[in-house]
Amino acid sequence: GAVVSQHPSRVICKSGTSVKIECRSLDFQATTMFWYRQFPKQSLMLMATSNEGSKATYEQGVEKDKFLINHASLTLSTLTVTSAHPEDSSFYICSARDRGPQHFGDGTRLSIL
Amino acid sequence: GQQLNQSPQSMFIQEGEDVSMNCTSSSIFNTWLWYKQDPGEGPVLLIALYKAGELTSNGRLTAQFGITRKDSFLNISASIPSDVGIYFCAGQLRGAGNNRKLIWGLGTSLAVNP
Repeated sequence: GAVVSQHPSRVICKSGTSVKIECRSLDFQATTMFWYRQFPKQSLMLMATSNEGSKATYEQGVEKDKFLINHASLTLSTLTVTSAHPEDSSFYICSARDRGPQHFGDGTRLSIL
Repeated sequence: GQQLNQSPQSMFIQEGEDVSMNCTSSSIFNTWLWYKQDPGEGPVLLIALYKAGELTSNGRLTAQFGITRKDSFLNISASIPSDVGIYFCAGQLRGAGNNRKLIWGLGTSLAVNP
């Protein structure tokens, strides 16, 4: 149980492109979903927290107009990196929880050329 | 942002050896979680702890929620090559609110020599 699916697993695109990443809870309803960014050999850095049907809460220093989060249903949240630039290249990971601990997707490796 | 003090930063051991790692904080936590992350993948939950003093096992893994609520340890017994990876502790602060945001350790990188 508690399976979280994240898609795509890898994206390579040109600078200026907008990229959408999907996060789905497959066998449970996720009241809260989280989006993280992870740099090589570092810990997870929380970007934002989203609850179904409400606006996401962004962490300090994270541009909400740059990283658009939509949590339209209890099983789906999306992160859109708008007008991506090379400095946005990173490993993005989502997690989801209902009442228990967070369960994670397998991450999306984003490379902006 | 706030982070937990996790140690050791890395370990290189022989197959069959036991491993111990821990996390400490100056703040009180309501929940301690231990995750393992393999390269290029998301973290996988190993053990969740919810009560001070709680000792929980998952196969060869054992973790404890410290009595002071400010620390936790994870032990791995009789290590095997597939134990290789990065282990993260994460905690939820008392009064974290409904979103249950986690505070993360910096990770312990484990290498096992067959």
